[in-house]
Amino acid sequence: DGGITQSPKYLFRKEGQNVTLSCEQNLNHDAMYWYRQDPGQGLRLIYYSQIVNDFQKGDIAEGYSVSREKKESFPLTVTSAQKNPTAFYLCASSMGASYNEQFFGPGTRLTVL
Amino acid sequence: AQTVTQSQPEMSVQEAETVTLSCTYDTSESDYYLFWYKQPPSRQMILVIRQEAYKQQNATENRFSVNFQKAAKSFSLKISDSQLGDAAMYFCAYRSMNYGGSQGNLIFGKGTKLSVKP
Repeated sequence: DGGITQSPKYLFRKEGQNVTLSCEQNLNHDAMYWYRQDPGQGLRLIYYSQIVNDFQKGDIAEGYSVSREKKESFPLTVTSAQKNPTAFYLCASSMGASYNEQFFGPGTRLTVL
Repeated sequence: AQTVTQSQPEMSVQEAETVTLSCTYDTSESDYYLFWYKQPPSRQMILVIRQEAYKQQNATENRFSVNFQKAAKSFSLKISDSQLGDAAMYFCAYRSMNYGGSQGNLIFGKGTKLSVKP
């Protein structure tokens, strides 16, 4: 089955540690996205990538980094510079930036202890 | 910059009845897309319905329909014959038709939590 997978489902991190969230898709989509969701908030865009080896900052990129070395993979690293990293993180993909539908993964819940 | 507002943090509906969720948006563009996404307790985001701004006809998907009022910048979602499985967070989202830079990205409202009473 085609889809988007995110791992792990739950992640715990100590303050001061970097952590990487995985996002993989087998939909052959060009564009991929990372969103952050906090209680009472909509989704906010962290980073996006419209093509392999290229990515741009979204609205709340500070304290995060990404890479896009392969079409199917778009990992997100939450660095120690992110002041309030506890949140639910969603990855999405679309056929291209010009396609209007984004498909979402199941999400990762990150908790900083 | 575009903004999306959902003024109802929570709504409740009786099973089998109809409920309408509100969404307003602000934009200076004439061409864009609007979406309603559903996020059930599993937290998986699911596309419910989409509307292209250039289409005057309101989109419909089975029990889900929209009332798109372009001049008023309003995009409400109507759920008919509500079912227990409709209980979820519902997010309204906007997307520009300009794909350069970040303009093609989705802008979400803060969501409306819908409860369905048996």
